[in-house]
Amino acid sequence: NAGVTQTPKFRVLKTGQSMTLLCAQDMNHEYMYWYRQDPGMGLRLIHYSVGEGTTAKGEVPDGYNVSRLKKQNFLLGLESAAPSQTSVYFCASMRGPYGYTFGSGTRLTVV
Amino acid sequence: TQLLEQSPQFLSIQEGENLTVYCNSSSVFSSLQWYRQEPGEGPVLLVTVVTGGEVKKLKRLTFQFGDARKDSSLHITAAQPGDTGLYLCAGDRGGNTPLVFGKGTRLSVIA
Repeated sequence: NAGVTQTPKFRVLKTGQSMTLLCAQDMNHEYMYWYRQDPGMGLRLIHYSVGEGTTAKGEVPDGYNVSRLKKQNFLLGLESAAPSQTSVYFCASMRGPYGYTFGSGTRLTVV
Repeated sequence: TQLLEQSPQFLSIQEGENLTVYCNSSSVFSSLQWYRQEPGEGPVLLVTVVTGGEVKKLKRLTFQFGDARKDSSLHITAAQPGDTGLYLCAGDRGGNTPLVFGKGTRLSVIA
């Protein structure tokens, strides 16, 4: 089915470890976004991209890096994970004014 | 400062009751979107309202955009347990900027 696919779905990291979250969309969307969702905080934008090869910082970018080497993929990296990065991460994509299509999320726990 | 304020934060009602959820801002938006998120899943777009005063209906759900395009409401008639979830409003400020999300209203409909 067409949509946004996030991998992995669950991950437990130790403090200081690194990892990459992958987001893939097959809808030829230009815009892609990474959010984190925490209780009481809502969805907070980490980084976003308005096209292949471009990235921009969102509301809470510290501790994260991103890359958009291919139009269909948007990678979110944590270089040195911290317990404060325990969260549910959502990727979304958009084409024009038709709203966001979200993935089903990655639940990350940093111990 | 939260750009979009949603109220109430939590709502628990009996099956068959009516309810209204509000999304308010001091800013003007070019459009406003409503999403519903179920546990373990990403948000799913319900509707986009674009014109001030616009009303859209989706079965038992009625969405309204304020005349000044600063606020919106979601009214559910005869709520069903299947309506249970987190309802998020999101405002588009235009200019290819990312959507601004409210923190959501968590609705529980009890059979």
